[in-house]
Amino acid sequence: DQQVKQNSPSLSVQEGRISILNCDYTNSMFDYFLWYKKYPAEGPTFLISISSIKDKNEDGRFTVFLNKSAKHLSLHIVPSQPGDSAVYFCAASASTGTASKLTFGTGTRLQVTL
Amino acid sequence: SAVISQKPSRDICQRGTSLTIQCQVDSQVTMMFWYRQQPGQSLTLIATANQGSEATYESGFVIDKFPISRPNLTFSTLTVSNMSPEDSSIYLCSVSQGTNTEAFFGQGTRLTVV
Repeated sequence: DQQVKQNSPSLSVQEGRISILNCDYTNSMFDYFLWYKKYPAEGPTFLISISSIKDKNEDGRFTVFLNKSAKHLSLHIVPSQPGDSAVYFCAASASTGTASKLTFGTGTRLQVTL
Repeated sequence: SAVISQKPSRDICQRGTSLTIQCQVDSQVTMMFWYRQQPGQSLTLIATANQGSEATYESGFVIDKFPISRPNLTFSTLTVSNMSPEDSSIYLCSVSQGTNTEAFFGQGTRLTVV
């Protein structure tokens, strides 16, 4: 049972354009959401998070949007840079459970082309 | 953010043997977790490492196969016992300071069982 889904396995975007990565979840107990970036042979790197009490969180080029009614979140990267090419994972946790126990999506491979 | 060191970074092991992976954090942390990423898959939580007591395992993971120690607030080990080729994965240590906070990851241990 995949509780966190990233339906696009890959995405290609031109440098300077916007990258939009999507994530859907099914567990209504999830109330904290995170995005991670992962390069080959490295551990995931935390990018940005959002609590369910918000619908938007912004940090530099990265913005995460949360639509609780649709159980959907998205990560926007503007402008996209070649160094952003990596696999992006969406993750979720429920504060009623073990703190920070994360459920991950399947990942989206982003390629930023010149 | 915490600095997390995992050892070894990679290993090739014979089936039937065991490997112990170490995770050292540069500061005391509340929560420590062990994840697995099988080839082409997402990250899956193996267990929560509890300081001074038995780890809490997720469904599908058992202590006999993945014994975990956490003697203090900065160190944990994961042992992969009686290995088979199906255990070939990246094993990741993760730390967090509590509910609705980001989790940080070590660089991972790439295990190949032959």
